Amino acid sequence: GIQVEQSPPDLILQEGANSTLRCNFSDSVNNLQWFHQNPWGQLINLFYIPSGTKQNGRLSATTVATERYSLLYISSSQTTDSGVYFCAVERAGNQFYFGTGTSLTVIP
Amino acid sequence: EAQVTQNPRYLITVTGKKLTVTCSQNMNHEYMSWYRQDPGLGLRQIYYSMNVEVTDKGDVPEGYKVSRKEKRNFPLILESPSPNQTSLYFCASRRTGLSHEQYFGPGTRLTVT
Repeated sequence: GIQVEQSPPDLILQEGANSTLRCNFSDSVNNLQWFHQNPWGQLINLFYIPSGTKQNGRLSATTVATERYSLLYISSSQTTDSGVYFCAVERAGNQFYFGTGTSLTVIP
Repeated sequence: EAQVTQNPRYLITVTGKKLTVTCSQNMNHEYMSWYRQDPGLGLRQIYYSMNVEVTDKGDVPEGYKVSRKEKRNFPLILESPSPNQTSLYFCASRRTGLSHEQYFGPGTRLTVT
């Protein structure tokens, strides 16, 4: 299968700070998604981004498929941004592979 | 409201007692999938289904069964649960094709004693 590595594994931020989360993958993929898992365990879709750049409010993401990585940017972080951020990729064959996540804690 | 539902949300059972976790989606999606989430391992795919009567193994299928008799439902069956199947389980669905995002259910927390 595909190896999906996320960094950093843990991140602590002061409210208002910016951060960049990275996702590296070992092979070409058809799809890539970013998710936020909130403290209650719910998985929330952030971005569907197999290539290019997208923005949604304080969040934006960029995927460079040819270089096999994706970045998630969080600006002006808030305590509600706390949780675990996952990157997931899909290759031909319809199997999905998740990274082990970045655990983000935003302190007031 | 478009959604993926799972039942039960929480379940405590004993080793060897057969159980079924149901999953249903109302978005007319062809593709459905089951994942388990364990600390430090992220989510791992158990089984997926491209359409009715079509299922395939994911990365960790051992000890699980699935069926897809209707488009909207994709139950996960543990015929003889063991403690190493204690986990958080997620069901997901999406349209088929190359460019569609997955939508996840709320999760089922299973404990096998």
